[in-house]
Amino acid sequence: DTAVSQTPKYLVTQMGNDKSIKCEQNLGHDTMYWYKQDSKKFLKIMFSYNNKELIINETVPNRFSPKSPDKAHLNLHINSLELGDSAVYFCASSQVSRAGGPYEQYFGPGTRLTVT
Amino acid sequence: SQQGEEDPQALSIQEGENATMNCSYKTSINNLQWYRQNSGRGLVHLILIRSNEREKHSGRLRVTLDTSKKSSSLLITASRAADTASYFCAPGIIAPIQGAQKLVFGQGTRLTINP
Repeated sequence: DTAVSQTPKYLVTQMGNDKSIKCEQNLGHDTMYWYKQDSKKFLKIMFSYNNKELIINETVPNRFSPKSPDKAHLNLHINSLELGDSAVYFCASSQVSRAGGPYEQYFGPGTRLTVT
Repeated sequence: SQQGEEDPQALSIQEGENATMNCSYKTSINNLQWYRQNSGRGLVHLILIRSNEREKHSGRLRVTLDTSKKSSSLLITASRAADTASYFCAPGIIAPIQGAQKLVFGQGTRLTINP
């Protein structure tokens, strides 16, 4: 069974378009994350949600908007795509770091976004 | 920045040898985690060491943490071809808001095990 899944796996689109990436986890975790990995392999956190509430919001252009319909899903919508948005986007989840934490994060397989 | 910086950026060794990767960071942390990424795949958690721990073992992995030097190392003993991957350290802090944990990854060390 897939723990953290993302769709689509590959996404090729033109500049200016709007696209979404979906993420689902079946681990029962409360917290989900979006990361961006650039061509040099740097992996940077973008957002984190806990029980549908935004708790981490890094310096990300407001063209990126995360949406969490429930705690098992965290989708990423990107408006007006730019060439620099080309990267691999990873979703992850973890338990909340309350008593007994911290906890490891479980990553999805990634979505390779190519903007032409 | 608390970003983990791995050293070396690339490491190539023979199968059976030990591989050591180092990590440095700049701010106070709650824990430090190591992850592996196979080419074209997501990251897989390897080991977590808390800030009050100095060493931790898991199978062929040994992690050390020196908070006074703000550094960590990952040792893989008796390396195998299947260990070929990129390895990332991720210093972590627990933010006060709802216990949010923030991990900040670096660029990773690309490890190649030659048969």
